[in-house]
Amino acid sequence: EVQLVESGGALVQPGGSLRLSCTASGFTFSSHWMYWVRQAPGKGLVCVSGLNRDGSITRNADSVKGRFTVSRDNAKNTLYLQMNSLRTEDTAVYYCVRDVGYSVDYWGQGTLVTVSS
Amino acid sequence: DVVMTQSPLSLPVTLGQPASISCSSSQSLVHSDGNTYLDWFQQRPGQSPRRLIYKVSNRDSGVPDRFSGNGSGTDFTLRISRVEAGDVGLYYCMQGRYWPYTFGQGTKLEIK
Repeated sequence: EVQLVESGGALVQPGGSLRLSCTASGFTFSSHWMYWVRQAPGKGLVCVSGLNRDGSITRNADSVKGRFTVSRDNAKNTLYLQMNSLRTEDTAVYYCVRDVGYSVDYWGQGTLVTVSS
Repeated sequence: DVVMTQSPLSLPVTLGQPASISCSSSQSLVHSDGNTYLDWFQQRPGQSPRRLIYKVSNRDSGVPDRFSGNGSGTDFTLRISRVEAGDVGLYYCMQGRYWPYTFGQGTKLEIK
């Protein structure tokens, strides 16, 4: 069974940093692009960062460029999102999502990041 | 970015009645490989999104055949033939043709 389990969400002050983790199981992690998708409270879904199979190619939405860095450790079946210079508008549930080529199928349960003073 | 526009944004439906959600994209979602990369997701209250339909009309495993998708180019539709209580939630279309993948605003399906 495919499972994606996020962790690391917390309350952080504006300008602060946080690192999210996503541990994968039930599939060959190194064979898939992976993405982070966020959902602000009461809002829709936004794809923020993505990473190819070996971690050599990253994709970031304009809203997080220069602040967020996505990475992975295939030996640990884990995806990361390093978030720096956090803003109040980054407050959201962050989902780890598996890519299957021009689509995403499995989603984690999400981890809540709250940016507030 | 490709803009995805859904309608309606709110959809009250009587149990057992059909429902339909429209989604349009600002650019064609047809790829040079011949596929059209448009998916539909369901998000029940308090849950993560779940993919229902991929490449316009293909149902995911375990998805009831009450759910169907069709469309082409820039205009797509999700249909539910007979709404059940468990269908309550938000429905999103998503394009995977271009990075970043983008989602519609979401349609809230509720029971009348």
